[in-house]
Amino acid sequence: DTEVTQTPKHLVMGMTNKKSLKCEQHMGHRAMYWYKQKAKKPPELMFVYSYEKLSINESVPSRFSPECPNSSLLNLHLHALQPEDSALYLCASSSPGRGRPEAFFGQGTRLTVV
Amino acid sequence: KQEVTQIPAALSVPEGENLVLNCSFTDSAIYNLQWFRQDPGKGLTSLLLIQSSQREQTSGRLNASLDKSSGRSTLYIAASQPGDSATYLCAVNAGKSTFGDGTTLTVKP
Repeated sequence: DTEVTQTPKHLVMGMTNKKSLKCEQHMGHRAMYWYKQKAKKPPELMFVYSYEKLSINESVPSRFSPECPNSSLLNLHLHALQPEDSALYLCASSSPGRGRPEAFFGQGTRLTVV
Repeated sequence: KQEVTQIPAALSVPEGENLVLNCSFTDSAIYNLQWFRQDPGKGLTSLLLIQSSQREQTSGRLNASLDKSSGRSTLYIAASQPGDSATYLCAVNAGKSTFGDGTTLTVKP
């Protein structure tokens, strides 16, 4: 199984809503990532979890709250988002370490904030 | 700060042509470089990973090269097909990944 599964595929939420994005992998990878991608732009790193601990936070606003409940799951909790937060949110996983081998990406969640 | 540039930004070729996509990076202290394919509105599919100690990797019709000293990588696609139409991204890993802006490829039947 070389899949990273993200749910939901699409999400529309109001600025006062609370929602969560989910990511799951069963490849035994101990590094998991959240990226944000705007249209026609490359992915931008948001968070990195290594061995279920947050290791990198790229100065992301607190309205985005990541969580890694176990080695297979990664969540991104959303609250009080702004319309400019509308984007494709991508989850990825890999083996940890600086010489990081191949990263596998999910199909993303298309988020629209209204 | 690592900067990754991909040229051209867009490329249109007739079916059957061989083509080369380019990726350049400013800091040669990298661990590896990975090429991805992305279809519109979809996630990234890994194509090839080249470790910093390697010169090239091949998978089917794809061949990726890496010249770390000059900060360049190329993705060669042989005998292009309409199904190859997508955006191709390179990502340089030096602790964290830095992506280029991508090359959007259109292969016309």
